[in-house]
Amino acid sequence: EIVLTQSPGTLSLSPGERATLSCRASQSVSSSYLAWYQQKPGQAPRLLIYGASSRATGIPDRFSGSGSGTDFTLTISRLEPEDFAVYYCQQYGSSPELTFGGGTKVEIK
Amino acid sequence: QVQLVESGGGLVKPGGSLRLSCAASGFTFSDYYMSWIRQAPGKGLEWVSYISSSGSTIYYADSVKGRFTISRDNAKNSLYLQMNSLRAEDTAVYYCARAGYSYPADYWGQGTLVTVSS
Repeated sequence: EIVLTQSPGTLSLSPGERATLSCRASQSVSSSYLAWYQQKPGQAPRLLIYGASSRATGIPDRFSGSGSGTDFTLTISRLEPEDFAVYYCQQYGSSPELTFGGGTKVEIK
Repeated sequence: QVQLVESGGGLVKPGGSLRLSCAASGFTFSDYYMSWIRQAPGKGLEWVSYISSSGSTIYYADSVKGRFTISRDNAKNSLYLQMNSLRAEDTAVYYCARAGYSYPADYWGQGTLVTVSS
C-alpha cells in the first residue's frame, strides 16, 4: 500500500497570501494518478486537481498542482475567503489500494 | 446533472449488519467505476472499496476485507455496500463516489452516517 504523508498538518495564512501544500508518497506514484480534493465542514469533498496538474471542471486558476515521483505540491496563488478548508491528496492508480493523505487544514491567521 | 444519493445509514450494534445504497443519475452509470469512501468523525478520508463498470473487478481496503461486499445493479443505476460484522471503528460518514482504479473521484454523494454502538 502506498502511504501519502501531507504537510503541514495546519497552515495559518491570511487572505491574499500564497499557500503551498505538500504530499509525499512512500513509493513512486505515477503523475497520471495523483489528485487533490478540498473539503469544507459538513460538505462532501470536491475534486480540484487530477493527473497531478490538471484542474477539474470549474476550478479557478489560482489552484495549481505540480510534482512527480514521490513529491507533489498543491499551490493556491492568492487565498480567497472561500479557500479556507481541508485539502487531501490521493493516489488512484499506482496500486490497487487507493489511498488518501491525512489532510492539511488551511485556516485563517 | 450528475447526482449520487446515498441511503441506508443508521445506528447498529457491534456485530450487526447494514446495507447502504447509492442511487445514481445524470450520467451513464454502466460506463463508470464506482467507489465507497468513508470518513470517521473528525478524521480524514479512507477509501473503502471500488467496483468496475461491469462488476468484474472489485477491490477492498484491508480494514473491511471479508466483512464488506460491494455490488452494483446497472439496470437500476445503483451501487450497494453490504456491511457485516460491524465494529465501533466502522462508525463514519460513508460517501458514494464516481471513482475507481485510474479514475479520480469527480462526483460525490452527500454521505450517509453509520454509527456502530451498543
